[in-house]
Amino acid sequence: GAGVSQSPRYKVAKRGQDVALRCDPISGHVSLFWYQQALGQGPEFLTYFQNEAQLDKSGLPSDRFFAERPEGSVSTLKIQRTQQEDSAVYLCASSLAGTVNRQPQHFGDGTRLSIL
Amino acid sequence: SQKIEQNSEALNIQEGKTATLTCNYTNYSPAYLQWYRQDPGRGPVFLLLIRENEKEKRKERLKVTFDTTLKQSLFHITASQPADSATYLCAPVSSASKIIFGSGTRLSIRP
Repeated sequence: GAGVSQSPRYKVAKRGQDVALRCDPISGHVSLFWYQQALGQGPEFLTYFQNEAQLDKSGLPSDRFFAERPEGSVSTLKIQRTQQEDSAVYLCASSLAGTVNRQPQHFGDGTRLSIL
Repeated sequence: SQKIEQNSEALNIQEGKTATLTCNYTNYSPAYLQWYRQDPGRGPVFLLLIRENEKEKRKERLKVTFDTTLKQSLFHITASQPADSATYLCAPVSSASKIIFGSGTRLSIRP
């Protein structure tokens, strides 16, 4: 398809395990974002890439969270030593240009992460 | 810190009426404001963008206003339909690299 694809759609992990979430953005999109969305809340910014460069990671809640986009296309969000408070939906979005204020973001349907 | 407030209660509207959703922001001056729709289990979908020098923007049955003095945006859906039922997210944008979303307003249109 032509949209943003995220996998897996659902992930259940035990507390303390590491998880990796994948995002395939729309082909040719320069910007890629990761968000965390708790139930009943809006998406909260985690990090932003422009091509392969991670320009803003101010939203990552701790050093257990790590994101990469090594070739400027697919991105992976990794969470190490998961905690129960990491349970949420993780959304990925991409946009065509390098600045986001004038560009719509195209979202995937997210990965629902549950930590037991 | 930057704060965004949307109608905290769900909005229930009779089909055919106009739904009006409110977005208020404080402690920053966005140059743009975006609105998104989110259905359960899905990612947000972009609807409209309005610039600070635009007072009003329309797209089919949707209308958005942006009052930089009041620090408020209103989102209207005219001739509402049950298919318009969803959560609507407001996102005032001041940074070139980051969008901050409100918590959303859940809209239900009853037949």
